[in-house]
Amino acid sequence: TAGITQAPTSQILAAGRSMTLRCTQDMRHNAMYWYRQDLGLGLRLIHYSNTAGTTGKGEVPDGYSVSRANTDDFPLTLASAVPSQTSVYFCASSDSQGAANTQYFGPGTRLTVL
Amino acid sequence: GQNIDQPTEMTATEGAIVQINCTYQTSGFNGLFWYQQHAGEAPTFLSYNVLDGLEEKGRFSSFLSRSKGYSYLLLKELQMKDSASYLCAVKDSNYQLIWGAGTKLIIKP
Repeated sequence: TAGITQAPTSQILAAGRSMTLRCTQDMRHNAMYWYRQDLGLGLRLIHYSNTAGTTGKGEVPDGYSVSRANTDDFPLTLASAVPSQTSVYFCASSDSQGAANTQYFGPGTRLTVL
Repeated sequence: GQNIDQPTEMTATEGAIVQINCTYQTSGFNGLFWYQQHAGEAPTFLSYNVLDGLEEKGRFSSFLSRSKGYSYLLLKELQMKDSASYLCAVKDSNYQLIWGAGTKLIIKP
């Protein structure tokens, strides 16, 4: 199985432009997450979804929006990109949000905002 | 605030043993995870501890002391392919993962 796929692999974006990062999982996991990873910092949660039709804000949600129309897809949208959103973005999923449930990660999208 | 601390970088020799420490202060505790991340790749799951003690899985073992807010990852018989970053993460009272910045492990021949 493919697990989790993300697109694009990398992108250079002009400041002020909008962009949607795509994430699709084929494991029928209920919970999905978006993280950003910056040098010297731990992974930081942007938004999450415990089940299709619901979303929640993480630690750093400003400037980002998400939707969860179905179980498999969890796109992340930057409405008006700024240079501080330059980062590596990882999508992850887990069977549920329970204590022991392991999160599995996609390959990441490297985004540069100029 | 919530905080996960681990060393920034460690160096070890091929064939040796290395211990990577992690201390945490979080609002609630619902388990501690260790992930491995090779450069330019996604994190991959290594271990999960929720009760005190040692969990052994092949060359890798993970230890937890909840009273001390402390965990370590022990890697034995180091191989060059073990060169990677090792991420410690704690699941808090809201079942969200709080991540450390990671420990970059460099293996020398």
